Amino acid sequence: RKEVEQDPGPFNVPEGATVAFNCTYSNSASQSFFWYRQDCRKEPKLLMSVYSSGNEDGRFTAQLNRASQYISLLIRDSKLSDSATYLCVVNIWGATNKLIFGTGTLLAVQP
Amino acid sequence: NAGVTQTPKFRVLKTGQSMTLLCAQDMNHEYMYWYRQDPGMGLRLIHYSVGEGTTAKGEVPDGYNVSRLKKQNFLLGLESAAPSQTSVYFCASSRQLAGGTGELFFGEGSRLTVL
Repeated sequence: RKEVEQDPGPFNVPEGATVAFNCTYSNSASQSFFWYRQDCRKEPKLLMSVYSSGNEDGRFTAQLNRASQYISLLIRDSKLSDSATYLCVVNIWGATNKLIFGTGTLLAVQP
Repeated sequence: NAGVTQTPKFRVLKTGQSMTLLCAQDMNHEYMYWYRQDPGMGLRLIHYSVGEGTTAKGEVPDGYNVSRLKKQNFLLGLESAAPSQTSVYFCASSRQLAGGTGELFFGEGSRLTVL
């Protein structure tokens, strides 16, 4: 079982739609969680951190469910410019502090 | 604002050839990383460095060597390239180790093809 699992998509949605992605993680020692955005043939960039209480940044909302070991990303009022791959990232603390990247979920927003 | 710069951006090698990827960062970050990204695999850590003169193995270090002689530079070497090393390579840097804040700053990537 992969440590971080995401639905690869693609999610094809019209402009203005609301779309949500989930990501599950298997290691209960996971301490911190993040969403990265990666445009086609570009480098990943941090989109937002995911806090236990949930957090919102404009049209983006991230939530964490430790009991079920998943995090989610909600995008409201989708824009064409939101089309990208969204990477779920989990930080596992311990002897080797490391980030585990999911394979990503592809979002395509249609005009 | 250059951030993290990787060279070269593209390279085609024949099996058995050697090459070096150069990563330079201008943010005075202590920590630097080399990842590879393959379809269906996600980003995987090859090697990392916690400061000038230090290096450490990541998840997939075999076939690669690294050096960090200067704080701003992190070099990734392939001594004898194999087709399995065909990938997109990303260098990254951060203020804190790995997931302190979760924010890694990535270079634009280097696409390597080994024939």
